[in-house]
Amino acid sequence: AQSVTQPDIHITVSEGASLELRCNYSYGATPYLFWYVQSPGQGLQLLLKYFSGDTLVQGIKGFEAEFKRSQSSFNLRKPSVHWSDAAEYFCAVGTIQGAQKLVFGQGTRLTINP
Amino acid sequence: DAGVIQSPRHEVTEMGQEVTLRCKPISGHDYLFWYRQTMMRGLELLIYFNNNVPIDDSGMPEDRFSAKMPNASFSTLKIQPSEPRDSAVYFCASSSTLSVNEQFFGPGTRLTVL
Repeated sequence: AQSVTQPDIHITVSEGASLELRCNYSYGATPYLFWYVQSPGQGLQLLLKYFSGDTLVQGIKGFEAEFKRSQSSFNLRKPSVHWSDAAEYFCAVGTIQGAQKLVFGQGTRLTINP
Repeated sequence: DAGVIQSPRHEVTEMGQEVTLRCKPISGHDYLFWYRQTMMRGLELLIYFNNNVPIDDSGMPEDRFSAKMPNASFSTLKIQPSEPRDSAVYFCASSSTLSVNEQFFGPGTRLTVL
């Protein structure tokens, strides 16, 4: 069965600094990969997704992620964070055999220092 | 599109009472998911439906939990009797076969059982 690991429970960065959130997945075939963001008191919102093709995908709010098959990773990046990026970020994996199910990582909480 | 709608947004009840959470998925979506989110256990999939039929309820914690989807535009999650350990945020999400695993989340219902 597929699984997702987000090694960092909590990350703090300064406003304007670059950001990278790590995500590793376990699955035998090519997965469908997602990053969601959850602001306090809100539901999860899709940031970006990878199905196939170009391994560098662009998302909303200036985020991007790169699929690296050799490392089973799908790390999320942003060149310069804003205070409004403070939130919880979830990586998720789905498969064509999984009938629309997603397996979520435990999440990474991002704090922004002014 | 109004997105996934959940009601109520907040529910406070006493132990032993019945609780019913409601969800209206995005029109045209054929999958509906119920999740529970707690600090200790993260985001857990409880049950999901395809074309109003329950497909996998292995995440439902106990017989006290039940879910129904009487039609394509409405689903309920019921807890009877409720217990303090059921306190959590419950999310409903929907997706379409055409969007390949991409799930759209509602704002959630924060349940507090006293």
